[in-house]
Amino acid sequence: KAGVTQTPRYLIKTRGQQVTLSCSPISGHRSVSWYQQTPGQGLQFLFEYFSETQRNKGNFPGRFSGRQFSNSRSEMNVSTLELGDSALYLCASSGQGSTGELFFGEGSRLTVL
Amino acid sequence: EDQVTQSPEALRLQEGESSSLNCSYTVSGLRGLFWYRQDPGKGPEFLFTLYSAGEEKEKERLKATLTKKESFLHITAPKPEDSATYLCAVQVNDHAGNMLTFGGGTRLMVKP
Repeated sequence: KAGVTQTPRYLIKTRGQQVTLSCSPISGHRSVSWYQQTPGQGLQFLFEYFSETQRNKGNFPGRFSGRQFSNSRSEMNVSTLELGDSALYLCASSGQGSTGELFFGEGSRLTVL
Repeated sequence: EDQVTQSPEALRLQEGESSSLNCSYTVSGLRGLFWYRQDPGKGPEFLFTLYSAGEEKEKERLKATLTKKESFLHITAPKPEDSATYLCAVQVNDHAGNMLTFGGGTRLMVKP
């Protein structure tokens, strides 16, 4: 069974640009969550999607947005990039129920110059 | 505001030297407490879920326990392959779904 796949794995952007990250969950998983990981703040919840609807949202500015497609694949977008957005962005999927047992991808490492 | 604090931030052990990692939490209503392991360059990997005070879970050299205010991850006779960052997270009753609040992690290094 294939795991969670995130693309791209690495990317470099400049301030003011925007970026779109993609996540393909484990087959059959309908919940997809996104987290930002930085050395200073650790893992912070961005948002969760379930059946194409945003179910939870963390405390991030509106520049951070996401969506989920009918095949459960998800994308997140960050507009008007700032230096502080440099981080590892992790996607996680989960199966039936809200068990909190998340299966993480390897992440997309974003560097903003 | 829900808070999760892990200690120590880093821990160095000799192979075979048992120890414990601590996770203290302050939440409005705990739905579940989770332990994850993260290796460098990888996403976190699920280890355990604990739901109520007094509960214990074991897996190989790891045992997780839960009280009303904290959780411990006990590592018995660790091996170098146990070196990783161990993350604690909570899920609360106020939020439906899989939203987790993570602690800062404990970076464990086991030397042969």
